[in-house]
Amino acid sequence: GENVEQHPSTLSVQEGDSAVIKCTYSDSASNYFPWYKQELGKRPQLIIDIRSNVGEKKDQRIAVTLNKTAKHFSLHITETQPEDSAVYFCAASIGTNAGKSTFGDGTTLTVKP
Amino acid sequence: DVKVTQSSRYLVKRTGEKVFLECVQDMDHENMFWYRQDPGLGLRLIYFSYDVKMKEKGDIPEGYSVSREKKERFSLILESASTNQTSMYLCASSFIMTLLAGRNEQFFGPGTRLTVL
Repeated sequence: GENVEQHPSTLSVQEGDSAVIKCTYSDSASNYFPWYKQELGKRPQLIIDIRSNVGEKKDQRIAVTLNKTAKHFSLHITETQPEDSAVYFCAASIGTNAGKSTFGDGTTLTVKP
Repeated sequence: DVKVTQSSRYLVKRTGEKVFLECVQDMDHENMFWYRQDPGLGLRLIYFSYDVKMKEKGDIPEGYSVSREKKERFSLILESASTNQTSMYLCASSFIMTLLAGRNEQFFGPGTRLTVL
């Protein structure tokens, strides 16, 4: 089955700096890569996603890049703010598999004011 | 606005008890999922269902079973609870994934923190 590895497990940055979280996946058939944000005590929520026919996607301060050849994808957050502090999960899905996603172990991001 | 609800936020059970966790979604989603979340281990899929009465094992199905008798409701059953099943349990739902452009977002419930003594 699919295996998703996520790094780093914890990340601490100063407010205004950039943060990068990286994930690798094992199954070359995976074609959908969502990122979820989970604030403390709350449920995970989708923040951005990318499909395998696209190399990069941006939404305001967050962006995701995908390298299909290397089987890795990354989340980039620019101009970080304290409210970006949360656990971030990457995931990989295969389109024919009824939406089943394999999640990474999560990255705890702390943005220091 | 999508709503996924879970029957309890906190639950305390004793070893050997049968435990039912229920999840209801109101968006007519085909897919429903049960995950457990433990520190440092991310979200691990227990079971998922893509249609009524259909179910597939996830990555950690041992010790669990599920039931989906109606489209909007997905139940997780611990036949005989054990202390190693103490965890946060999250339910999620989504539409059937297509190859077309667009989100295939999973909508999560608030979670049930289960403690087995």
